[in-house]
Amino acid sequence: EAGVAQSPRYKIIEKRQSVAFWCNPISGHATLYWYQQILGQGPKLLIQFQNNGVVDDSQLPKDRFSAERLKGVDSTLKIQPAKLEDSAVYLCASSLVETNSYEQYFGPGTRLTVT
Amino acid sequence: RKEVEQDPGPFNVPEGATVAFNCTYSNSASQSFFWYRQDCRKEPKLLMSVYSSGNEDGRFTAQLNRASQYISLLIRDSKLSDSATYLCVVTLSGSARQLTFGSGTQLTVLP
Repeated sequence: EAGVAQSPRYKIIEKRQSVAFWCNPISGHATLYWYQQILGQGPKLLIQFQNNGVVDDSQLPKDRFSAERLKGVDSTLKIQPAKLEDSAVYLCASSLVETNSYEQYFGPGTRLTVT
Repeated sequence: RKEVEQDPGPFNVPEGATVAFNCTYSNSASQSFFWYRQDCRKEPKLLMSVYSSGNEDGRFTAQLNRASQYISLLIRDSKLSDSATYLCVVTLSGSARQLTFGSGTQLTVLP
């Protein structure tokens, strides 16, 4: 079974530039999450989708971050404009809804460096 | 106060040693508990769930103390391949399956 796919794997941009990340979850997983993991910290949830609807975006800095999952499958996360403090790994995860398990399956992440 | 707190380490132990990690959580409404493992520059992966009765998976034992809001992970007979960061994770009741991660405890097993 294919895992969660993310691209690009690495991105270096200057502050005030824009950047977009893409995620394709495991086939059949209705729930998709975007996390931000700053060096030395655990992942922090930014936004959760179920199918193409937003379940929770309370921790998404909406003045600069946006995310969409238009067809309920793959998703994009955008930062515009980027700040130095956005340097982090952006992880996408997916999970099944029809299960008692809370397990989330993570993609390899996109490592963003803002200079 | 952080929702999930862990000693960041690092823990440097010789092969074959027993090592224990602790974690505390602040919200008494927390419902489910897990340990995830994250290798250097890799994604987190579920290691094991943590139950009130305690549970064991090979060399790994996890325990939960709801009264003290405390979770532990014990690794026996450490292997070089156990070197990783161990993330304590909790969920809240009714939180739509959202995971709240601690900052992780770094373990290095030395030959």
